[in-house]
Amino acid sequence: NAGVTQTPKFRVLKTGQSMTLLCAQDMNHEYMYWYRQDPGMGLRLIHYSVGEGTTAKGEVPDGYNVSRLKKQNFLLGLESAAPSQTSVYFCATHQGSNSPLHFGNGTRLTVT
Amino acid sequence: AQSVTQLDSQVPVFEEAPVELRCNYSSSVSVYLFWYVQYPNQGLQLLLKYLSGSTLVKGINGFEAEFNKSQTSFHLRKPSVHISDTAEYFCAVSESNQAGTALIFGKGTTLSVSS
Repeated sequence: NAGVTQTPKFRVLKTGQSMTLLCAQDMNHEYMYWYRQDPGMGLRLIHYSVGEGTTAKGEVPDGYNVSRLKKQNFLLGLESAAPSQTSVYFCATHQGSNSPLHFGNGTRLTVT
Repeated sequence: AQSVTQLDSQVPVFEEAPVELRCNYSSSVSVYLFWYVQYPNQGLQLLLKYLSGSTLVKGINGFEAEFNKSQTSFHLRKPSVHISDTAEYFCAVSESNQAGTALIFGKGTTLSVSS
């Protein structure tokens, strides 16, 4: 999916380490989202942004922070990683609630 | 707040059989409804969406879904499945009165098609 790019694709962290996941979109969309996907849990919303400079909490925000300094980028930070944050993280973007989400290919994070 | 319930976590079927994947939602306002498909090791892609108008919505790969407001359901159907339809399917809802509302997803249904 050339429209939404996530980096890195894979990462292994030790408990307590920090990292930042980057999502970049070239679709000029206002709305961007970070979801995590866990077996049997579907996708759960972590944080989202309705425009440059704005962020809001989703269903499961604890342990994560986000920033949207530029319209095309949405960063997800883990300040002190925990094993419970082992998951696949997806970034998504769209024009509004009546338009489909465009997803990145995901980042697989393992915290040991 | 809205929520989505996918009633079956796994649905095994034989090739060329019909299939229905069930989805119910709850919301206090009007909603938009979506079905997404996820193939192994990939992101999600849109199958179909209901915004307004005809309650029967047709999507890609021969799938269709019917919006039933009275039963708050949006079940996905295909009359004859193929091995290549094996994937995980997610129902999602957003509230139509808020431009920036995120999609809330169900927990997913794994469709396994065998020969």
